[in-house]
Amino acid sequence: DAGVTQSPTHLIKTRGQQVTLRCSPKSGHDTVSWYQQALGQGPQFIFQYYEEEERQRGNFPDRFSGHQFPNYSSELNVNALLLGDSALYLCASSLARRNEQFFGPGTRLTVL
Amino acid sequence: GENVEQHPSTLSVQEGDSAVIKCTYSDSASNYFPWYKQELGKRPQLIIDIRSNVGEKKDQRIAVTLNKTAKHFSLHITETQPEDSAVYFCGPGGGNKLTFGTGTQLKVEL
Repeated sequence: DAGVTQSPTHLIKTRGQQVTLRCSPKSGHDTVSWYQQALGQGPQFIFQYYEEEERQRGNFPDRFSGHQFPNYSSELNVNALLLGDSALYLCASSLARRNEQFFGPGTRLTVL
Repeated sequence: GENVEQHPSTLSVQEGDSAVIKCTYSDSASNYFPWYKQELGKRPQLIIDIRSNVGEKKDQRIAVTLNKTAKHFSLHITETQPEDSAVYFCGPGGGNKLTFGTGTQLKVEL
């Protein structure tokens, strides 16, 4: 039973560029949430996808957008990258009516 | 929005001692209270959780207690071992949305 997977593992971009991160949920899960974890901080909720729609959103600007595909996998897109976007981006999967979230290994994004 | 605080921010104990970490939250609508363990360079791992209709839950050496009236819940680790050394996060919430605290660095010394 495959757990949550994310790609790529690491990514280096420059300011102003755009980036796409990918997540495959745990087998049987239908909901994907994205979190940003800055160094030394707890994960911060970006948004959540269920049935291919954004269901909840945290306090992040419109530069952060996402998508969920029919197979429940998800993408996080960030436009016009800022230095402050450097962080570990975590994807978590769950079942819509269950609260338990299981995290992927994360993508480490560095913006230069 | 939810305001979450964890105390202490760092905790150092001797192997075999107990450790307690407290999480205070503000949103009375929160109905799910998990604790995650994150080792350096690894993903957060769910170690125990509790729902609002339960006051205490135990799983071997770890337990979580909830005081919904006072809006706080605590992680208890007994007979600590070196492998318990990690950062622990509380993440109260509900509806698949969690708000995490800033973490507690637990160090278990030999």
